[in-house]
Amino acid sequence: GAVVSQHPSRVICKSGTSVKIECRSLDFQATTMFWYRQFPKKSLMLMATSNEGSKATYEQGVEKDKFLINHASLTLSTLTVTSAHPEDSSFYICSARVPGQGVYEQFFGPGTRLTVL
Amino acid sequence: AQTVTQSQPEMSVQEAETVTLSCTYDTSESNYYLFWYKQPPSRQMILVIRQEAYKQQNATENRFSVNFQKAAKSFSLKISDSQLGDTAMYFCAFKKTGTASKLTFGTGTRLQVTL
Repeated sequence: GAVVSQHPSRVICKSGTSVKIECRSLDFQATTMFWYRQFPKKSLMLMATSNEGSKATYEQGVEKDKFLINHASLTLSTLTVTSAHPEDSSFYICSARVPGQGVYEQFFGPGTRLTVL
Repeated sequence: AQTVTQSQPEMSVQEAETVTLSCTYDTSESNYYLFWYKQPPSRQMILVIRQEAYKQQNATENRFSVNFQKAAKSFSLKISDSQLGDTAMYFCAFKKTGTASKLTFGTGTRLQVTL
């Protein structure tokens, strides 16, 4: 199956700093990637849909100036948490849709655990 | 908007036994896709099984099968011959047709397989 990687797997930062998380499709080109947030023992909440070469589409209630998404190439999308605060601590997961593999399949990255002190 | 409900927060099953996880959903769409994803302790999301709503036949993948009841908007997952490696969170998910449509997840069921 298609492989999606995320880097870093975990990050600890101080309050007020910015953190960038990378999502890469390793063996395919992904025109669309998705960013999710997952709180402990909770479900995945879609934050935004990232489209290569265009602006991301954010879900209602997600601050686009807080969570900057860039999808500059067909294999890389980045999520930058700007001016992070402790309430931004969470598990962030990306997924990518594989073109030509049917319209229903998303492959997920292994996630990034963000802890803001 | 679509909603997905998983009414069982936690379940336990003994190894080699069969367990069924429940999922109901609400939608006004006539055609859509349904999924079960597994999230083991590693947190890596893994697709277990999928079902196209226009197909009446229930999907099956080895020990995993679904009972899809479209009129009742029910989509349960049956795991046969449970194995210790099946211990995980299981999420039911819904997707409308269309390449840009997103996945809507249920709240999850934590399954523990015991000896």
